[in-house]
Amino acid sequence: NAGVTQTPKFQVLKTGQSMTLQCAQDMNHEYMSWYRQDPGMGLRLIHYSVGAGITDQGEVPNGYNVSRSTTEDFPLRLLSAAPSQTSVYFCASTQDSGGQFFGPGTRLTVL
Amino acid sequence: GNSVTQMEGPVTLSEEAFLTINCTYTATGYPSLFWYVQYPGEGLQLLLKATKADDKGSNKGFEATYRKETTSFHLEKGSVQVSDSAVYFCALRHPNTGNQFYFGTGTSLTVIP
Repeated sequence: NAGVTQTPKFQVLKTGQSMTLQCAQDMNHEYMSWYRQDPGMGLRLIHYSVGAGITDQGEVPNGYNVSRSTTEDFPLRLLSAAPSQTSVYFCASTQDSGGQFFGPGTRLTVL
Repeated sequence: GNSVTQMEGPVTLSEEAFLTINCTYTATGYPSLFWYVQYPGEGLQLLLKATKADDKGSNKGFEATYRKETTSFHLEKGSVQVSDSAVYFCALRHPNTGNQFYFGTGTSLTVIP
């Protein structure tokens, strides 16, 4: 099992550009999440999904879109990047009765 | 609402010292509680968990006991090593909120030889 994979590992964008952060898991988990991690603020939930075709907003959803067409994939889209979106982004997949498994993260810089 | 508060860092200890990182939570009912560890440049890894009151989670010499009466889940290790240097996150998961996780802000630990 590869667990949770994320691509790319690093990305630099200019203000106003759009991009998609990819996330995939091979554990057949229904529940997946996207977080951003900023210094001194821990992890903040952006969006989550409880299964294919079902997504919902977390704590900080503005400026981000998600979709869940399959159980395995949960991409995060930045519609028009802003410097405030400079962060480290983590995708996570959750066992029904256990903890979360995290991907290695994507370090995004918006200039 | 649900929330987690953990002690501010950074924490610096000498090798073989005793470690305690405090974590308290706010939640109704009976959430599950977790400790995660993040090594530099990596994602979070599950360290240990407890799913009901008085449960003790343990892994790699770390322990934490789910105390409902004090709403706490403090992380302890009897003798830390340099390789334990990392950021530690306390978290809760509550089934009444769609199994969302709520994380503390993290505590950075540095162990010096």
